[in-house]
Amino acid sequence: GAVVSQHPSRVICKSGTSVKIECRSLDFQATTMFWYRQFPKQSLMLMATSNEGSKATYEQGVEKDKFLINHASLTLSTLTVTSAHPEDSSFYICSASRQVYNEQFFGPGTRLTVL
Amino acid sequence: AQSVTQLGSHVSVSEGALVLLRCNYSSSVPPYLFWYVQYPNQGLQLLLKYTSAATLVKGINGFEAEFKKSETSFHLTKPSAHMSDAAEYFCAVGSTGNQFYFGTGTSLTVIP
Repeated sequence: GAVVSQHPSRVICKSGTSVKIECRSLDFQATTMFWYRQFPKQSLMLMATSNEGSKATYEQGVEKDKFLINHASLTLSTLTVTSAHPEDSSFYICSASRQVYNEQFFGPGTRLTVL
Repeated sequence: AQSVTQLGSHVSVSEGALVLLRCNYSSSVPPYLFWYVQYPNQGLQLLLKYTSAATLVKGINGFEAEFKKSETSFHLTKPSAHMSDAAEYFCAVGSTGNQFYFGTGTSLTVIP
């Protein structure tokens, strides 16, 4: 149980285009979902926290208009990188949690490459 | 505020040797502590977690960790390293709202 999927696993796009990444909790309802960014050989950097049906809370320094997060249901959250640029290239990981369990379940990650 | 410190960004051990990865935490309340492993281009896999039950926690793949409140530590150990253990390891402390604070990670190399 507690499986989280991400789609796509890899995406290559041209500079200036927008990319949407989906995060799904497959076998449980996620009250909260988290989006992380990871640079090579570095730790995970929390970008934002989203609760179903409400606006995401972004960490300091993360552009809200650049990284649009939608958490429309208890099993789906999306991250849209708008007008992507090469510096947005990174590994994006989502996670999901259930209220009563102090634990996050992580997706497999999405490798974004912006040309 | 909570924080996690992982001492040693790179650790090398010989195959069959003891693995010891260090994690110290700073928390104002009893923490939830986690160890995750990450293989290249993959997400995080939970190795084990401490949630205020037994102080010695056993995880998957032969790993275990001991919660020591007096030392504010949660070091990860494995008696005998295997080649497949080579990966990146992250310690994390859980906070209210299930928010996590991650350490900077330790890259484990296993030498044949």
